[in-house]
Amino acid sequence: EAQVTQNPRYLITVTGKKLTVTCSQNMNHEYMSWYRQDPGLGLRQIYYSMNVEVTDKGDVPEGYKVSRKEKRNFPLILESPSPNQTSLYFCASSPHATGELFFGEGSRLTVL
Amino acid sequence: AQKVTQAQTEISVVEKEDVTLDCVYETRDTTYYLFWYKQPPSGELVFLIRRNSFDEQNEISGRYSWNFQKSTSSFNFTITASQVVDSAVYFCALSEWGTGFQKLVFGTGTRLLVSP
Repeated sequence: EAQVTQNPRYLITVTGKKLTVTCSQNMNHEYMSWYRQDPGLGLRQIYYSMNVEVTDKGDVPEGYKVSRKEKRNFPLILESPSPNQTSLYFCASSPHATGELFFGEGSRLTVL
Repeated sequence: AQKVTQAQTEISVVEKEDVTLDCVYETRDTTYYLFWYKQPPSGELVFLIRRNSFDEQNEISGRYSWNFQKSTSSFNFTITASQVVDSAVYFCALSEWGTGFQKLVFGTGTRLLVSP
């Protein structure tokens, strides 16, 4: 089954404790991206990647890092999480940048 | 800079009513793509449609239709004879040539509540 898998789906952590949200797709898609969803703000792009080792900042990259060492994986790293990073995070992939996005189920992160 | 405005925060209708969700966009590029996504109460995000800036034909898919008007920078979404299952948050989004289509900007979403 074609899918984008994110883990963990739910996480409560404390300020400053590094965490990684993994994202994996099995559709051999070139393009992957991360978004955060906050009430009243819609979805905002954090980072995107056109291919392996090619990543760039979206609109809200501060406090986040990404890597794309393999085509299928695009982890989101929070080196030192803060409460303002409490949010619902979505990973997505697409055959190309202009294509339909396939989203993961979302990861709800709470930083205390 | 690219921007998408969905001025309607929440719309409530009764089943079988028609409803239109507005989307107004801003871009300096002549080449761009517009999208609509649906987020039902279960939380997943589902692709509905993609339209490029050179194709102004309106599109109909069952009870769904989209009206793309470059003159008013709008890409509105109409649901005919709404059903309870249409209750969801709907997002409009834009990507433009100037960013290599890699940056996708979403509107803040419109929550549609369809009551029986």
